[in-house]
Amino acid sequence: NAGVMQNPRHLVRRRGQEARLRCSPMKGHSHVYWYRQLPEEGLKFMVYLQKENIIDESGMPKERFSAEFPKEGPSILRIQQVVRGDSAAYFCASSPKADGGYTFGSGTRLTVV
Amino acid sequence: DQQVKQNSPSLSVQEGRISILNCDYTNSMFDYFLWYKKYPAEGPTFLISISSIKDKNEDGRFTVFLNKSAKHLSLHIVPSQPGDSAVYFCAASTKDFGNEKLTFGTGTRLTIIP
Repeated sequence: NAGVMQNPRHLVRRRGQEARLRCSPMKGHSHVYWYRQLPEEGLKFMVYLQKENIIDESGMPKERFSAEFPKEGPSILRIQQVVRGDSAAYFCASSPKADGGYTFGSGTRLTVV
Repeated sequence: DQQVKQNSPSLSVQEGRISILNCDYTNSMFDYFLWYKKYPAEGPTFLISISSIKDKNEDGRFTVFLNKSAKHLSLHIVPSQPGDSAVYFCAASTKDFGNEKLTFGTGTRLTIIP
C-alpha cells in the first residue's frame, strides 16, 4: 500500500508561469489536505477537499491559487502567475475520514526564479 | 498570529539522555494536540497525540504532557537516540466534526550527540 504520492518532488518555474502540483492519496483515503511550508516556518493549512468538493479553503490565498480533487485522478493544487514568494514546500496529506489522522506525502518543493 | 509556538528553534542532547521539547498555544478552543517528526526532504511523520481530556500519553520512548491551565505541552524522549535527530513540530486542532485542520508550530530542530 503506497503512501501519499506527490509529484513532482521538485518544480522550478519562472515568474508568471503556472505551477501544477499533484497529490495521489493513500488507497481508501477520500480526504485530502494541502499545507505550505515557507522557509524557516511551520506548515500552514491551505485547503481541505473531499472527492469533488472543497470543504475548507480558508488558508488559500484569494488570488492565483486553486485546488481540486476530481472523482477520478489525483488532487491538483494550481498556482497561476507564480511569484518569488510562492517558493515553498507544498505538502499534501490524506486521511480515510475527517478525523482519521493524517498521512503526509514527501512534498513538492517549488522554486520560482 | 502564531497560535502554536515553539520558542526553541534548536536543541542538542547527549545520546541516552532525555530530550524535552516544548510547545505553547494561545487558542483555548484547541482540544487535540499532536507531535510530528520531520526529516529533511520528507513529509512530517506522526509521532504521538493527546486529547485535552488527558494530561499524559505515553508510547514507548515518547511521552507527551499537557498542562491545559498553562496552555503548554511537552514531548519527552527517553532515552534519546541518534535516529531521533530531526525537526519536531507541535500541532493542534479543534475536533470540529468534519474538518481536522491542523495549526503547526515553527518546529524545533533536535540534534542527538553520540
